[in-house]
Amino acid sequence: NAGVTQTPKFRVLKTGQSMTLLCAQDMNHEYMYWYRQDPGMGLRLIHYSVGEGTTAKGEVPDGYNVSRLKKQNFLLGLESAAPSQTSVYFCASSYSGRETDTQYFGPGTRLTVL
Amino acid sequence: KQEVTQIPAALSVPEGENLVLNCSFTDSAIYNLQWFRQDPGKGLTSLLLIQSSQREQTSGRLNASLDKSSGRSTLYIAASQPGDSATYLCAVSGNQFYFGTGTSLTVIP
Repeated sequence: NAGVTQTPKFRVLKTGQSMTLLCAQDMNHEYMYWYRQDPGMGLRLIHYSVGEGTTAKGEVPDGYNVSRLKKQNFLLGLESAAPSQTSVYFCASSYSGRETDTQYFGPGTRLTVL
Repeated sequence: KQEVTQIPAALSVPEGENLVLNCSFTDSAIYNLQWFRQDPGKGLTSLLLIQSSQREQTSGRLNASLDKSSGRSTLYIAASQPGDSATYLCAVSGNQFYFGTGTSLTVIP
């Protein structure tokens, strides 16, 4: 049982390049989330999904797109990377959105945009 | 918009000391509050989850309390150990999840 995994762990992009971050979970969770963590600002929700084929915007969605084609995978895309997107990105999942459910986090992807 | 604040931002204590970390939030309409631990370069690990109808939760040397009406939560760590050194984050769940910026704890042997 691997839990939540993220690929890649590190990436350096040039301004304007595109990339996709992959999140996978093997816990049969319905809900999945993408966060970014910046110094002094805590974690902020980018997008989330409440089930296969669904996505919704979080607090800071601009410049990102997501897809949830399979229940176990949640992809985060940057179409044209900007230096402001330099951050550590975390994926998380939970069984549901009920108040008893905790979130399980992946190890993070450190992205630098030059 | 929900605002979550954690004080202090950093804390250094000698081994064996009991300590309290604080979390405050501005909107009391929450589903639950969670405390997480984050080690350097790692993801977050859930420590305790308090549902909105509960007042506290305990796990080993950790005890978390929730006062929704005042918008406050505390994480009490008893008999601190060097292995407790990490950043501790609180998060509240409402229509979305909102995280505090964390308290960086160092326990000195």
